[in-house]
Amino acid sequence: QSVLTQPPSASGTPGQRVTISCSGSTSNIRSNSVNWYQQVPGTAPKLLIYSNNQRPSGVPDRFSGSKSGTSASLAISGLQSEDEADYYCAAWDDSLDRYVFGSGTEVTVL
Amino acid sequence: EVQLVQSGAEVKKPGESLTISCKASGYSFTTYWITWVRQMPGKGLEWMGRIDPSDSYTNYNPSFQGRVTISADKSIDTAYLQWSSLKASDTAMYYCARLYLPPHAFDVWGQGTMVTVSS
Repeated sequence: QSVLTQPPSASGTPGQRVTISCSGSTSNIRSNSVNWYQQVPGTAPKLLIYSNNQRPSGVPDRFSGSKSGTSASLAISGLQSEDEADYYCAAWDDSLDRYVFGSGTEVTVL
Repeated sequence: EVQLVQSGAEVKKPGESLTISCKASGYSFTTYWITWVRQMPGKGLEWMGRIDPSDSYTNYNPSFQGRVTISADKSIDTAYLQWSSLKASDTAMYYCARLYLPPHAFDVWGQGTMVTVSS
């Protein structure tokens, strides 16, 4: 049972907008920055969003992050076939005193 | 180019010891913490712990405390993850990553080391 809750799957057709939610609590998402990682099957994860809504250099602006209260979300606009991957939210948890990942969401491009 | 290069895949028997490595290049090794992440087959990501290479100060996920040891040798820009007695349940892919503080984001990842423990 993950501390951060994500839907197991999401899908869309090319060009559509897909949103992935991440639900947490006051000890993690409300108190600390949320980061998002993308993992294409068979490869290492990659940092996609940090500090709730910042994109590292090289990440397309189709990816955006937001946070409100104890929830965060990742949006992918203009969905492309190369966006098929697993997406994980993550944050430090002050109560557990550890970094916690969400359960992961598998995005499929139909 | 900033890189983390991990050691190769390992196949071990239960009870054996193991150390895997993560060599950094392209940046000052002592400026950033290194973290380790486990991914069991078909499962999600789990944070194991982190180390400050400048003084080898470590923090562990309580779930892994006592089961693994994280260390670093700043003279050769390398971090390590060590087991003294492997179990079948340690079978997983292990990733090292550079920790960007704040916001506690892992901005550079190694390619992963697959550890298989089987009798």
